[in-house]
Amino acid sequence: EDQVTQSPEALRLQEGESSSLNCSYTVSGLRGLFWYRQDPGKGPEFLFTLYSAGEEKEKERLKATLTKKESFLHITAPKPEDSATYLCAVQAENYGQNFVFGPGTRLSVLP
Amino acid sequence: NAGVTQTPKFQVLKTGQSMTLQCAQDMNHNSMYWYRQDPGMGLRLIYYSASEGTTDKGEVPNGYNVSRLNKREFSLRLESAAPSQTSVYFCASSELYEQYFGPGTRLTVT
Repeated sequence: EDQVTQSPEALRLQEGESSSLNCSYTVSGLRGLFWYRQDPGKGPEFLFTLYSAGEEKEKERLKATLTKKESFLHITAPKPEDSATYLCAVQAENYGQNFVFGPGTRLSVLP
Repeated sequence: NAGVTQTPKFQVLKTGQSMTLQCAQDMNHNSMYWYRQDPGMGLRLIYYSASEGTTDKGEVPNGYNVSRLNKREFSLRLESAAPSQTSVYFCASSELYEQYFGPGTRLTVT
């Protein structure tokens, strides 16, 4: 069965303390892996798309990487405003227009 | 550009009542989606529409119906609400694979 899991479920960091979030997937025929940020009470906001193993994307303090089984979202020197839930999702060849989302990692960055 | 808009923002229903959630996008996207988000379960696809005039079931379609009114609008209807439909509902649109989400509707069924 296709699955998307994320770890850890929650993460607390001190401001400036770098870390990584993990998204593991078991799908065949990956079309793309997507990272979103979700603030409380709001809809997910698109961050990155990764299409193939070895690909990397960067935006400010965030860097997303992709292997054949997992993706990492690296957060370098985080600030309190990076606090949010980070979601990953996958789209695969046999999904049609369907996306499968992971449960998310809730990140808190303390000043 | 407003992006994706949803109405209402909050709604309380009694079991058995019906309602329609409205969604509109101004990005000229072909594809539109309805998701529900429950604690610990992530976003789950209810229905999607790949283009105007077409709709398809997602992972959890039971108890819901949809209408793609035109390219801009995609509505979700609950014919007879049940407590299990208490959730936050998100509409999204996309041109390729990057989805843009609305602010959500928080629905409580008592």
